[in-house]
Amino acid sequence: RKEVEQDPGPFNVPEGATVAFNCTYSNSASQSFFWYRQDCRKEPKLLMSVYSSGNEDGRFTAQLNRASQYISLLIRDSKLSDSATYLCVVNIGNQFYFGTGTSLTVIP
Amino acid sequence: AAGVIQSPRHLIKEKRETATLKCYPIPRHDTVYWYQQGPGQDPQFLISFYEKMQSDKGSIPDRFSAQQFSDYHSELNMSSLELGDSALYFCASSSPQLAGPLEQYFGPGTRLTVT
Repeated sequence: RKEVEQDPGPFNVPEGATVAFNCTYSNSASQSFFWYRQDCRKEPKLLMSVYSSGNEDGRFTAQLNRASQYISLLIRDSKLSDSATYLCVVNIGNQFYFGTGTSLTVIP
Repeated sequence: AAGVIQSPRHLIKEKRETATLKCYPIPRHDTVYWYQQGPGQDPQFLISFYEKMQSDKGSIPDRFSAQQFSDYHSELNMSSLELGDSALYFCASSSPQLAGPLEQYFGPGTRLTVT
């Protein structure tokens, strides 16, 4: 079983829509949590770290539920430029575990 | 702001040849991580270094070795290359964290093609 599980999608949404991604992790000793975005053939770019209290950065809101061991990412008012693969990443000690990514396509 | 630098960006090798990939972390970052990403897959952790010492080892084949040098740059050495080694190889770095999450920043990657 993978350390981090994500729905691979694809999610195809119209511009302006709100879309949510979920991710579950298996190891309760996980310490830190992140969402990265990756464009085709490019490197993963850190979108946001996820804090227990939840955090927001513009149109993006991340939530962490330690009891249920899941992390979510909400994107409001989707833009065409949001089209990418979103990777859920969990840190345990010095290692980072990646989900397989969720593909998002925002349609005009 | 300075980012992680990787070289070369593209590399084509034949089976059984060797390859060396280089990574220059963000200034003042002391930890370097290497990942391999095959087509349609998530990045797979290979190995990491902290303060020039090996920190963690993931799914790195015995044919591969790596080290971190005194200037904190790192090199991934790959020998007896196989067709299955064709992938994107990312290097990431992180800074000393006294508190808060340990954030990694990725380089642009080296695309290795083995023919």
